[in-house]
Amino acid sequence: GQNIDQPTEMTATEGAIVQINCTYQTSGFNGLFWYQQHAGEAPTFLSYNVLDGLEEKGRFSSFLSRSKGYSYLLLKELQMKDSASYLCAVREYNTDKLIFGTGTRLQVFP
Amino acid sequence: DSGVTQTPKHLITATGQRVTLRCSPRSGDLSVYWYQQSLDQGLQFLIQYYNGEERAKGNILERFSAQQFPDLHSELNLSSLELGDSALYFCASTGDGAYGYTFGSGTRLTVV
Repeated sequence: GQNIDQPTEMTATEGAIVQINCTYQTSGFNGLFWYQQHAGEAPTFLSYNVLDGLEEKGRFSSFLSRSKGYSYLLLKELQMKDSASYLCAVREYNTDKLIFGTGTRLQVFP
Repeated sequence: DSGVTQTPKHLITATGQRVTLRCSPRSGDLSVYWYQQSLDQGLQFLIQYYNGEERAKGNILERFSAQQFPDLHSELNLSSLELGDSALYFCASTGDGAYGYTFGSGTRLTVV
């Protein structure tokens, strides 16, 4: 089966850097995704990692270590609009379905 | 507009009733996934269809069923509704070999 863990809540200050960690245990791994979700809205795609290493995309970066079952999402130069939930999801090998963690609610303060 | 269309956006119904949620995937996408998100909870995978066939099943209740039609739109049927079924229901689609999953804007179901 799948088990995905991430912190429930985090807070940070505008302009700062925050790292959101995600650990996973899976029976068949075929990539890790990060999504952003504002309350009551649809999740929107942020990043995708299938090989070990860092993927950078503007203010957002995501890292993956498959041997450790570990990923993080790094958000730089935080803005108020970054206040949202950040969802870590693992894609299952056989079916391509995404299994989501419970999400990390990030609050950015002025 | 993500290209994935879900209707209706809001639905209020009484306990014991039956409702149907509809999803039209992005043009060309063959896979449709249904997720349930209760208040302050993560996205729970319900069921996946690929080109009309059921491909994977999550913790979907027996009171819930789904299907994907030849035109690739999908419907999620929820029956004998209970208060605890109140949630956001999202549909997502993806194409062959693609790693991007696109979510619809969801249907907010309230059972009273």
